[in-house]
Amino acid sequence: DTAVSQTPKYLVTQMGNDKSIKCEQNLGHDTMYWYKQDSKKFLKIMFSYNNKELIINETVPNRFSPKSPDKAHLNLHINSLELGDSAVYFCASSQGPGYEQYFGPGTRLTVT
Amino acid sequence: AQRVTQPEKLLSVFKGAPVELKCNYSYSGSPELFWYVQYSRQRLQLLLRHISRESIKGFTADLNKGETSFHLKKPFAQEEDSAMYYCALKGQAGTALIFGKGTTLSVSS
Repeated sequence: DTAVSQTPKYLVTQMGNDKSIKCEQNLGHDTMYWYKQDSKKFLKIMFSYNNKELIINETVPNRFSPKSPDKAHLNLHINSLELGDSAVYFCASSQGPGYEQYFGPGTRLTVT
Repeated sequence: AQRVTQPEKLLSVFKGAPVELKCNYSYSGSPELFWYVQYSRQRLQLLLRHISRESIKGFTADLNKGETSFHLKKPFAQEEDSAMYYCALKGQAGTALIFGKGTTLSVSS
């Protein structure tokens, strides 16, 4: 099944914890992204990697650190989780920067 | 400044009625615009993009540079069209998409 996959699908954790969300794409794409969808369903880009190199780093707290071990993976590590981090995080990939983006199913993070 | 505006948070129509989801953009240069759809608790899917001028699931969208708009239209709404619709603009750097705040379309019988 060719797609963008994310794990876990749901993540419930307490404030102050550190957690990671993993993303994998088997579409052979060079570019991957992380988006945050808040409680009002507003979608905003956080990071983008092209060929394992960071090309977009929006104004995101440095508690968020993306890591791309290879072109097919882009993981998101979050330190010292806060209540405001609760959201759905979507990974996406594209053939290259600016090409059509394919989205993962999302990870619903709840911080209590 | 690059911006996408979707003025309606919610649009409710009856089955069979025409639908128009509004999208306005702000961009210097030649814009590239998309419509994405998100069905309940599912991933975002590309619905259509202006450069291909296609019709998907009966939806069409025309880029109007004079009015800086890219409204999504369908002549006869179906209940399965109920979803969140996002208009998106390819950013200046040609990389990530800039999304509007989305419009929830609710089609009832």
